[in-house]
Amino acid sequence: NFMLTQPHSVSESPGKTVTISCTRSSGSIASNYVQWYQQRPGSSPTTVIYEDNERPSGVPDRFSGSIDSSSNSASLTISGLKTEDEADYYCQSYDSNIQVFGGGTKLTVL
Amino acid sequence: EVQLVESGGGLVQPGRSLRLSCTASGLTFVDYAVNWARQAPGKGLEGVGVIGTTPLGATTEYAASVKGRFTISRDDSKSIAYLQLNSLKTEDTAVYFCSLLYQLLPRKPPGWGQGTLVTVSS
Repeated sequence: NFMLTQPHSVSESPGKTVTISCTRSSGSIASNYVQWYQQRPGSSPTTVIYEDNERPSGVPDRFSGSIDSSSNSASLTISGLKTEDEADYYCQSYDSNIQVFGGGTKLTVL
Repeated sequence: EVQLVESGGGLVQPGRSLRLSCTASGLTFVDYAVNWARQAPGKGLEGVGVIGTTPLGATTEYAASVKGRFTISRDDSKSIAYLQLNSLKTEDTAVYFCSLLYQLLPRKPPGWGQGTLVTVSS
């Protein structure tokens, strides 16, 4: 079993770039794909990154994902921040095929 | 257009049972594994369990917090997955989401339903 740890909150100004980290507690971050979900208040999650760095059609290329084996972490980077990006973001991987989620990061764009 | 619709939530007393449904349309359901996750009020997401594709045996796995109480099944002819919740506890109160994971290559991004609220209270 492992945990995914995310910062509780991040804030940045419109037009800037923000990176949200997701650190895996044990086992290699590369051993299972990482997904990133955006969740606005009152809505269900939507996929912004899947399989570490793939972006679904319709998701702006301002969103990118990566993994870093040296820090055993995944990252979601959002460039050219817009107020509409303000939301909760969750990373997710798999443990015995069951979804394991990070605690979520509240992104404030101010 | 791909759509996922969860249903079956509601208010239920502790110790009782409930069955949730996840109905898919606009896709070939047999090609997808189905994940169930939940989100307690004001909290983060928690994985509940998964059912694999029928050609691979529809294998199920469950989180420790629900193992032995929850059961996932699927009916490919109706494009529906079910989550049977038994021996419900107050801490099971949450919005329950299903998400579908395409099992063939090239992969597709996971799709989510809108969720259904389960409230366990006396």
